Amino acid sequence: DAKTTQPTSMDCAEGRAANLPCNHSTISGNEYVYWYRQIHSQGPQYIIHGLKNNETNEMASLIITEDRKSSTLILPHATLRDTAVYYCTHKDRNNFNKFYFGSGTKLNVKP
Amino acid sequence: DVKVTQSSRYLVKRTGEKVFLECVQDMDHENMFWYRQDPGLGLRLIYFSYDVKMKEKGDIPEGYSVSREKKERFSLILESASTNQTSMYLCASSSHRAGTRGEQFFGPGTRLTVL
Repeated sequence: DAKTTQPTSMDCAEGRAANLPCNHSTISGNEYVYWYRQIHSQGPQYIIHGLKNNETNEMASLIITEDRKSSTLILPHATLRDTAVYYCTHKDRNNFNKFYFGSGTKLNVKP
Repeated sequence: DVKVTQSSRYLVKRTGEKVFLECVQDMDHENMFWYRQDPGLGLRLIYFSYDVKMKEKGDIPEGYSVSREKKERFSLILESASTNQTSMYLCASSSHRAGTRGEQFFGPGTRLTVL
């Protein structure tokens, strides 16, 4: 099974960078790392994904270690609206359409 | 805007009832998924489908079945609802066509309570 490990919760001050870590030691060479977030009472929403290089989009940056066994999602200037559960996942080695979602990290952005 | 819709946001059923949860996507996606979400357990995959009339079991298929007669619609069926099926149910869809990012698009969820 494609499993990930994330801290249960994290706090971040509004306006500061939020750095959310994830371990994905079972990732295989052709699998991408994906990050999603879930705001209360909504379905998860895609944030960003990457294979081995660092990626940036309008929402966040993704840093993947050279051995690809871990990654960090960075929200450069967290706002109160970024309070959510963040899920790190990667596509299953046997079925490229399946994701395995763990329990995620609850990010609390505080004023 | 891409859209995944689910037939109900909230549903209350009695033990033993047959329950249908409907999901529709308007993105012409090949793949559709049903998850349940419980506190402390994250999202767990129940069933998925990669084409019309095709289905595969996920991690927790017991007590559930699915139907995909049309590409845009994926139904989750609880043949005889039980109290341990009280949960939030999330539908998602995705495409594996070349040029797509491969991410899943989720519906808003259906909170099912079985009494």
